[in-house]
Amino acid sequence: KQEVTQIPAALSVPEGENLVLNCSFTDSAIYNLQWFRQDPGKGLTSLLLIQSSQREQTSGRLNASLDKSSGRSTLYIAASQPGDSATYLCAVRSSVKAAGNKLTFGGGTRVLVKP
Amino acid sequence: NAGVTQTPKFQVLKTGQSMTLQCAQDMNHEYMSWYRQDPGMGLRLIHYSVGAGITDQGEVPNGYNVSRSTTEDFPLRLLSAAPSQTSVYFCASSYSRQGASGTQYFGPGTRLLVL
Repeated sequence: KQEVTQIPAALSVPEGENLVLNCSFTDSAIYNLQWFRQDPGKGLTSLLLIQSSQREQTSGRLNASLDKSSGRSTLYIAASQPGDSATYLCAVRSSVKAAGNKLTFGGGTRVLVKP
Repeated sequence: NAGVTQTPKFQVLKTGQSMTLQCAQDMNHEYMSWYRQDPGMGLRLIHYSVGAGITDQGEVPNGYNVSRSTTEDFPLRLLSAAPSQTSVYFCASSYSRQGASGTQYFGPGTRLLVL
């Protein structure tokens, strides 16, 4: 059974500092890994999707890496801003046919960027 | 595109009542899923569908039914509501499981309270 872990559960940084968020998973049989952002009381917004054949993906200040063999992904957010305060979730999609469409989510990292 | 829409946004039910949570997407996505999000439990898959007429169970399907008569709609039915079903429910869709089109898009959620 796939398990996804995000450590730390919460993180507080001063504005301008770079953010490093970690995600680990136990089963390397995946199609892709996706990073989401969730604001309080809101739905999930997709930030980046990394396909299993890729090592990294970039979008603006965001960069996500994937090491499938070691079961790890890291999301880097450069020059953090107070508007980056949110909960960040990672999710992996199994490539096992019997698992269907299933995404397995980590518990999330709650980020606070202080002005 | 409206993306993924969910209704209602909030609902209060009494134990034993039934109701249907609506989900629709206008992106011609084949894959649709229902998740529930609970504090300390993260997001868990309830049911999913890989196309019209095809549905399957996720991790926590008990007490819920789904059907997929059209590509656009994927309603979730609570048969006899229980306090344990108090949660935030999210619907999600994607065009495929693999590649860049495997990105999952989430609706804004339905907050359900069962008394």
